Amino acid sequence: QVQLQESGPGLVKPSETLSLTCSVSGYSISTGFFWGWIRQPPGKALEWIGSLHHGGTIYHNPSLRSRVTISEDTSKNRFSLNLRSLAAADTAVYYCARGGGYTNFFDYWGQGILVTVSS
Amino acid sequence: QSALTQPASVSGSPGQSITISCTGTSSDVGYYNSVSWYQHHPGKGPKFMIYDVSKRPAGVSNRFSGSKSGNTASLTISGLQAEDEADYYCCSYAGSSTFVFGTGTKVTVL
Repeated sequence: QVQLQESGPGLVKPSETLSLTCSVSGYSISTGFFWGWIRQPPGKALEWIGSLHHGGTIYHNPSLRSRVTISEDTSKNRFSLNLRSLAAADTAVYYCARGGGYTNFFDYWGQGILVTVSS
Repeated sequence: QSALTQPASVSGSPGQSITISCTGTSSDVGYYNSVSWYQHHPGKGPKFMIYDVSKRPAGVSNRFSGSKSGNTASLTISGLQAEDEADYYCCSYAGSSTFVFGTGTKVTVL
């Protein structure tokens, strides 16, 4: 059974950088599939942030591309999200999931982590 | 890239059927047969319910079915049950290796 778990700070300050990690169990991220990040601001829709494939292919939401870095650590079977220049509008529940590439769907999700951007 | 449009809420009585619409454009829903649906109970990760418009992953009840006509995809839940009460989101491939989600629909079982 594939399981994903997000970790990171629950509170970050405006203008700072958010760093989140998604730890994966039950499947090696270097084996295949894309691995992605999705967020949901309070009361709003889900928003795809980007997805990564082992080997270097990374897809981004054009609206966030300039502020986003997605990377992998295959030795620990996890992948990460860095989101720069934070603003209050980045307050959201952040989810990691498997998918967002050639499968065109997201089949396994983490439980999500609430990140609040506030001074 | 605008969010796909879903009704804010849909309700039905146990045993009834309900349909949730997901309206996009000719650049996403209307062009690609890559619409997926997710069930989301608060506090949990979304659950994958439908892919490629109408295909069900293993383990998903056949009470859930998907379809598409033009720029609008639909999720139908038949034989509505109390456990189906949740938020539902559609998602479409939008070209250029990007994805767009719907605005979400709250399903209430009366």
